[in-house]
Amino acid sequence: GAGVSQSPSNKVTEKGKDVELRCDPISGHTALYWYRQSLGQGLEFLIYFQGNSAPDKSGLPSDRFSAERTGGSVSTLTIQRTQQEDSAVYLCASSTRQGTEAFFGQGTRLTVV
Amino acid sequence: AQRVTQPEKLLSVFKGAPVELKCNYSYSGSPELFWYVQYSRQRLQLLLRHISRESIKGFTADLNKGETSFHLKKPFAQEEDSAMYYCALSGRTSGTYKYIFGTGTRLKVLA
Repeated sequence: GAGVSQSPSNKVTEKGKDVELRCDPISGHTALYWYRQSLGQGLEFLIYFQGNSAPDKSGLPSDRFSAERTGGSVSTLTIQRTQQEDSAVYLCASSTRQGTEAFFGQGTRLTVV
Repeated sequence: AQRVTQPEKLLSVFKGAPVELKCNYSYSGSPELFWYVQYSRQRLQLLLRHISRESIKGFTADLNKGETSFHLKKPFAQEEDSAMYYCALSGRTSGTYKYIFGTGTRLKVLA
């Protein structure tokens, strides 16, 4: 596709369940970012991938959160044993190695009930 | 530490009034600075970048290296400017560029 694609668009899950969120970046973009946006709040950095380098995981809020990026393309953000405070919109963005512009997906709205 | 600071979470102005969204950054080097905007129910998208020195939708931003600021300004706010605004920098780290975003400022333009 032409843009960053995220799936699912919406996810409702029960507290304690695991969820996987997917991001398909723009082809050729080496950098991929995950952010969290809580209701009415700003962006919270979660994790950053750049090519084959070790990811920057400094923003992950707890060890229940993990992410991987396979083949330098698609990324999956996994949240284990979800809690109500995990409810938010999870945004993915990608950019080129030169970082001239970040392109965002439409987000996944996660609701933990 | 590399950081982008947007001190205001919410800024409310009346239609026709000037608006200034503040952004300060901390970075050891020469980063590129950007403003991104998120309108209701739309994706985050690039508004403008400092190297282009352009005016988009009446908005301008000047990079002040001495004050390490990149404030976004518009002389006459419109209701359609109501949105979430994010300041960001892209800085070179180990041969590649990494984005750092501020936490955002919500602009409300009142009729």
